[in-house]
Amino acid sequence: AQSVSQHNHHVILSEAASLELGCNYSYGGTVNLFWYVQYPGQHLQLLLKYFSGDPLVKGIKGFEAEFIKSKFSFNLRKPSVQWSDTAEYFCAVTLDTGRRALTFGSGTRLQVQP
Amino acid sequence: KAGVTQTPRYLIKTRGQQVTLSCSPISGHRSVSWYQQTPGQGLQFLFEYFSETQRNKGNFPGRFSGRQFSNSRSEMNVSTLELGDSALYLCASSEGLAGVDEQFFGPGTRLTVL
Repeated sequence: AQSVSQHNHHVILSEAASLELGCNYSYGGTVNLFWYVQYPGQHLQLLLKYFSGDPLVKGIKGFEAEFIKSKFSFNLRKPSVQWSDTAEYFCAVTLDTGRRALTFGSGTRLQVQP
Repeated sequence: KAGVTQTPRYLIKTRGQQVTLSCSPISGHRSVSWYQQTPGQGLQFLFEYFSETQRNKGNFPGRFSGRQFSNSRSEMNVSTLELGDSALYLCASSEGLAGVDEQFFGPGTRLTVL
C-alpha cells in the first residue's frame, strides 16, 4: 500500500528563516502530489499540486515544491517564512490510476516565532 | 460560491449509539470524500462518492457507511459507536473525481464518544 512520510513533526523557525519540509512517498508508479495547509481554526486548504510537467511547482503565499522522482520526494519550500505561516502542513499523494483517494502524511506543525 | 458545509459542527454521543453526519458540497461538485482526523492516526480516507456511487473505500470497519443524494449532498453514518471513533470528520468536495481535481475541505464535525 502506498504511504507518505513527513519526517519533521514539529518545526520552529524565526521569521525570515528559510523553510524546507520533507515529504517522501512509497509507490513506484505515476502519482499526483499535493501539499495542504491547515491554519489554526481554519479548514484544510490546498497550497500547491503536481500532476505532470515542470517538477518545480509554485503555490500560494510564496510556497513552492520540487518533485524529485528518483528520490520519491516532494519537499515544500519557502525562502522566508512569516509569523502568519504558523500552521500544520500535510503532504498527500494519489495514484494516477485506480485508487485515487488522498493518502496523507502525518503532518508537520510549523511554528514561526516573531 | 459557498464553501463545503458540514453539520453538525460538534456532537457528543455515548458508546453503542449511532450518528449521522451531513456534508453539503460546493455547488456543481459531484464528488464528496470523507476523512477521519485523529491525533494518533492523522488524516485517513473513509470513502468517496461520485454521482451517488461509492467509488472508493478506505480501511474502516463496516460500522462506517455513507451515501450520496442526487443533489450531491452526502451523509456518513457510524453505528455502534466506540470510544476510538472520537475524531474530527472532514468532508471534501471536488468537481470531478478526487485525486484528479482539487478537493475543497469543510470545517469538519467534531465527534466525541463518551
